Amino acid sequence: DTAVSQTPKYLVTQMGNDKSIKCEQNLGHDTMYWYKQDSKKFLKIMFSYNNKELIINETVPNRFSPKSPDKAHLNLHINSLELGDSAVYFCASSPVTGIDTQYFGPGTRLTVL
Amino acid sequence: QKEVEQDPGPLSVPEGAIVSLNCTYSNSAFQYFMWYRQYSRKGPELLMYTYSSGNKEDGRFTAQVDKSSKYISLFIRDSQPSDSATYLCAMTKSPGFQKLVFGTGTRLLVSP
Repeated sequence: DTAVSQTPKYLVTQMGNDKSIKCEQNLGHDTMYWYKQDSKKFLKIMFSYNNKELIINETVPNRFSPKSPDKAHLNLHINSLELGDSAVYFCASSPVTGIDTQYFGPGTRLTVL
Repeated sequence: QKEVEQDPGPLSVPEGAIVSLNCTYSNSAFQYFMWYRQYSRKGPELLMYTYSSGNKEDGRFTAQVDKSSKYISLFIRDSQPSDSATYLCAMTKSPGFQKLVFGTGTRLLVSP
């Protein structure tokens, strides 16, 4: 049973295109996140949603728009893709309370040509 | 300067060695400290979780936090080739609505 799943696993596209990445978690968690990991392995938070409500938006260009149709899903839509958007994007989820922490999906490797 | 600094490595050791991985940080508000392991082309997975200063042991892994020095460590005893991965430290100010701040990761290679 996959706890946090993402589709697609690989995404290759041309500059200027619009693409979406989907994320689903079956852990019953209330909070979901999107992270970007660059070529140097630096992992940086982009967005966080709690019960479908945006709670963290880390100065991400507004070409990136997260959407949470329900608390088990958090999708990421990217408009007008640029070369610098090439990275691995990770979805994660966590419970709100307690000392549990974040569980990550397998990642989506985005390559913009 | 990044909030959390970590030597990128790679750190190469022979099987059975004791490995020491470290992070320094600048924000004294961080209270919760984690170590994640990331295998190539996989998502990070949580290894250890500690609150405030002190030590925590789990099998071959020991996490240490020294808040006075703003320094955290992960020790791996009897290292195995299967420990070869990138190790990311992460920290946050509070457990709810966690904004984790990650180090850049240290790549560890354990040779048989």
